[in-house]
Amino acid sequence: GQSLEQPSEVTAVEGAIVQINCTYQTSGFYGLSWYQQHDGGAPTFLSYNALDGLEETGRFSSFLSRSDSYGYLLLQELQMKDSASYFCAVRDQGSGAGSYQLTFGKGTKLSVIP
Amino acid sequence: EAQVTQNPRYLITVTGKKLTVTCSQNMNHEYMSWYRQDPGLGLRQIYYSMNVEVTDKGDVPEGYKVSRKEKRNFPLILESPSPNQTSLYFCASSSQPSREQYFGPGTRLTVT
Repeated sequence: GQSLEQPSEVTAVEGAIVQINCTYQTSGFYGLSWYQQHDGGAPTFLSYNALDGLEETGRFSSFLSRSDSYGYLLLQELQMKDSASYFCAVRDQGSGAGSYQLTFGKGTKLSVIP
Repeated sequence: EAQVTQNPRYLITVTGKKLTVTCSQNMNHEYMSWYRQDPGLGLRQIYYSMNVEVTDKGDVPEGYKVSRKEKRNFPLILESPSPNQTSLYFCASSSQPSREQYFGPGTRLTVT
């Protein structure tokens, strides 16, 4: 089986830096993805890490440690528009070697305050 | 424009009345999937498809059916909807299951 744990809510000040953690338990691992979802909208892809280390895309960075089954999303220079829910996701082999099932965390609601 | 479309966007129906939610993508993606989103539960995968005529169960397949007769289309079928299937449904596609998923705009379904 698989499970992902992430904080349910985070609040941060505009202009600050915030880190959203994700720990996972999977049978086989094929990478950790992050998605952003604004209220009333569809999830949109932010990043994907298959190997250990930090991936940077503008103000957003994502980190992975496979040995610790842990990753995080780092948001810098927070803006009001970053208020949204953030989901981590993994592909898991829990259903067997031929499984292509994707599992999402329950999401972290980020509130950016002035 | 690369996109995933879903129809209808909103649907109110009654228990037991069969319905189909359509999903179509124009990116020639092989991998397609359906999710439901409920408050506090995040996104849960219902079914996925690796290619035409290849489908498999996700986390919550009970009460749902899918088909993949063409690469671009992946309809979700509720043969006898029940109130516990009231939810927000998303279709998604990607070139590979682990990679960037492109989501449709969502279908809000209410079953009374």
